[in-house]
Amino acid sequence: AAGVIQSPRHLIKEKRETATLKCYPIPRHDTVYWYQQGPGQDPQFLISFYEKMQSDKGSIPDRFSAQQFSDYHSELNMSSLELGDSALYFCASSTRRGSNQPQHFGDGTRLSIL
Amino acid sequence: KQEVTQIPAALSVPEGENLVLNCSFTDSAIYNLQWFRQDPGKGLTSLLLIQSSQREQTSGRLNASLDKSSGRSTLYIAASQPGDSATYLCAALSGGGADGLTFGKGTHLIIQP
Repeated sequence: AAGVIQSPRHLIKEKRETATLKCYPIPRHDTVYWYQQGPGQDPQFLISFYEKMQSDKGSIPDRFSAQQFSDYHSELNMSSLELGDSALYFCASSTRRGSNQPQHFGDGTRLSIL
Repeated sequence: KQEVTQIPAALSVPEGENLVLNCSFTDSAIYNLQWFRQDPGKGLTSLLLIQSSQREQTSGRLNASLDKSSGRSTLYIAASQPGDSATYLCAALSGGGADGLTFGKGTHLIIQP
């Protein structure tokens, strides 16, 4: 079965640079979620989109922005990167936001800030 | 604000044993609760989802229960195998239109061959 696809798998950046992470949800999933998992930490919710509109916002820094496109893929844009942004970034998708459907996670993008 | 706690933080048992992982949450007004498995450096694999109106869900050797009134969920693993070794996370989805899951810090499980 098709899963959530994230790219790139690994990304190395320097402080103050920008980064763009991409997420391709499972086909026919209309809701996308972004999470950040720091080293040894549990995943923290950043932001979500339903039918291309932002639907909920968590602990996403102002330096980050995201959007969902017409084909339902999503991109997380990160600017002025800091050492503390080094983490595993997960994208998840589900059908029909608000329904009792599980969130399915991708393998994540590991972002390292030098 | 929802807080999710998992006990124990780590567990090591011999192969073949049945075991129980515990998860507690502070706000009982959850929409659903989801159990995940995470292998080192990998993504989260969804194991079971229990809706707030349900008491338990089963998948193969896994059984998850939910007691909203006491703010607790358990994941029961029967006849454990070395391949079950991983970190298990529970996550609550709060009601009120929230989208983001609130995760516990996980239980790191090792099954000894």
